[in-house]
Amino acid sequence: KQEVTQIPAALSVPEGENLVLNCSFTDSAIYNLQWFRQDPGKGLTSLLLIQSSQREQTSGRLNASLDKSSGRSTLYIAASQPGDSATYLCAVIDDSARQLTFGSGTQLTVLP
Amino acid sequence: GAVVSQHPSWVICKSGTSVKIECRSLDFQATTMFWYRQFPKQSLMLMATSNEGSKATYEQGVEKDKFLINHASLTLSTLTVTSAHPEDSSFYICSARRPGRAYEQYFGPGTRLTVT
Repeated sequence: KQEVTQIPAALSVPEGENLVLNCSFTDSAIYNLQWFRQDPGKGLTSLLLIQSSQREQTSGRLNASLDKSSGRSTLYIAASQPGDSATYLCAVIDDSARQLTFGSGTQLTVLP
Repeated sequence: GAVVSQHPSWVICKSGTSVKIECRSLDFQATTMFWYRQFPKQSLMLMATSNEGSKATYEQGVEKDKFLINHASLTLSTLTVTSAHPEDSSFYICSARRPGRAYEQYFGPGTRLTVT
């Protein structure tokens, strides 16, 4: 059964810092991997989707990488802002199940 | 874009009553929708997969008679929590899969259910 782990569970940084969030998964037979953002009491906003054949995706200040063979992904946030404060969730879709398995999330706080 | 709505956004009900939550894909047809449950400070747990025109597939440990799912059209799935109890209080989120989009799911804003 696929398991997704995110480290750290919580992170607090001063505004302007670059930061990296980590995600690891146990079964490398994935179809794709997604990074989401969740604000308190809200639904999920998709940030980036990386297909299994890709190694990275970029959107604005966000860059996500995927190393399928080692079961790892990172989300890089450049020049962090207080508005980036949220919980970031990593999720993978297995080749077989075609459904998302979520990590436990990283709660990010960017201090002004 | 792909927009998914949920109604209601929050609901309070008394123990023993039933509550229906709607999930709609507003600008695309979704043959597959998913229902998740999220407890405070925890991640999303998949409850069931809903396919239009057929019975839902429930995850292990989810009571199908308690959480009734109906996917009657390509744009609407409903989750009914029957005989609700305080332990059913949670944040329920649906998502819809857009055909031909690398299995990408689009999420609704969630429904906060409180059972008193």
